[in-house]
Amino acid sequence: EVQLVESGGVVVQPGGSLRLSCAASGFTFDDDTMHWVRQAPGKGLEWVSLINWDGSSTYYADSVKGRFTISRDNSKNSLYLQMNSLRSEDTALYYCAKDNGYCSSSSCYSTFDHWGQGTLVTVSS
Amino acid sequence: DIQMTQSPSSLSASVGDRVTITCRASQSISSYLNWYQQKPGKAPKLLIYAASSLESGVPSRFSGSGSGTDFTLTISSLQPEDFATYYCQQSYSTPPIRFTFGPGTKVDIK
Repeated sequence: EVQLVESGGVVVQPGGSLRLSCAASGFTFDDDTMHWVRQAPGKGLEWVSLINWDGSSTYYADSVKGRFTISRDNSKNSLYLQMNSLRSEDTALYYCAKDNGYCSSSSCYSTFDHWGQGTLVTVSS
Repeated sequence: DIQMTQSPSSLSASVGDRVTITCRASQSISSYLNWYQQKPGKAPKLLIYAASSLESGVPSRFSGSGSGTDFTLTISSLQPEDFATYYCQQSYSTPPIRFTFGPGTKVDIK
């Protein structure tokens, strides 16, 4: 059974930093592209970032580009999101999601077939 | 960037009703369109991929159709467990790589 368990969400002040983690099990982690998707309270889903199977390709939403960094450690079956220069608008539930598609240097086909339960990040003074 | 819209934003329906939700892309996305269901306090769940393919384990009362810019999700006979919010998502991107969800359609009990 695929399991994705996020952690690291806390209350942080504007301008602060935070690192989210996602522990994966039940599938061959280093086969798959992985994503972070967030959901602000009472709002819809917003794609944040993706990383391909070996970490050689990463992409970001414009809203987080230059502030967030996605990474992975395939030896630990773990996905990470380093979040810097946090703003109030980054307040959200952050989900990691497994992708059953593919990413190359020229295109990505992504379907989020499994999701974690999310970890809550609150940016507030 | 491709923009996704959904209509209606919410609807009220009764158990047994046929429900149709529409998703529109700002440019053609062929059949690169997925549908997700999200219940309150829960993570989204994949229902339909590639516009019309039913994810394993999803009841057959759910179906998807469309291609190009216009897509629909249909629930043939609404069940109590189907009251939720439904999101579409464009699933193919070329650089700059971006993935966009629709704003969601909330289905609640009439």
